[in-house]
Amino acid sequence: NAGVTQTPKFQVLKTGQSMTLQCAQDMNHNSMYWYRQDPGMGLRLIYYSASEGTTDKGEVPNGYNVSRLNKREFSLRLESAAPSQTSVYFCASSPEGGFNQPQHFGDGTRLSIL
Amino acid sequence: KNEVEQSPQNLTAQEGEFITINCSYSVGISALHWLQQHPGGGIVSLFMLSSGKKKHGRLIATINIQEKHSSLHITASHPRDSAVYICAACNGGATNKLIFGTGTLLAVQP
Repeated sequence: NAGVTQTPKFQVLKTGQSMTLQCAQDMNHNSMYWYRQDPGMGLRLIYYSASEGTTDKGEVPNGYNVSRLNKREFSLRLESAAPSQTSVYFCASSPEGGFNQPQHFGDGTRLSIL
Repeated sequence: KNEVEQSPQNLTAQEGEFITINCSYSVGISALHWLQQHPGGGIVSLFMLSSGKKKHGRLIATINIQEKHSSLHITASHPRDSAVYICAACNGGATNKLIFGTGTLLAVQP
């Protein structure tokens, strides 16, 4: 049971570099989410996709873009990485949109921006 | 003041003890989530509840809507319960979103 798979698990970038974090789920879920987790703070929503073909900004979208490639995949792109984007990134999915449903999380991507 | 606050922030217990983690929120909610994050980082959804009580194995979650308070209880705690426990409130309505607490770090010692 793969569930939600994130790649890569770890990444170190230099300021200004770009990269894409990949996320795929095999549970046929309609909704997918990207969060970041920083020390001393709760998880914060970056972007979400309520269904295939739609994306919406969350609480902290600046500096990020997303693509809902198909029902399975939801990628997060950093166009020009900044040290403030050093964080642990989690992808999640749920059967339907709305946050009153259990979410299934990936194992996270630890990203360091030097 | 954060909209979702957990207490305690850190908790150390001896194996076998009964553990309670508290979550208070200041917003109206449609549901409250309890999550578990193990060392190594993976996050697992434990419960989602909007009223009353839910039980799964040794874990029990309760919520009091009037008092805007939820608790997570662990009976007969075990070292494998060591993790960060996170509550998150779904505020429903037009700005439907999850508001996360900062987590409670639990260490259960053998």
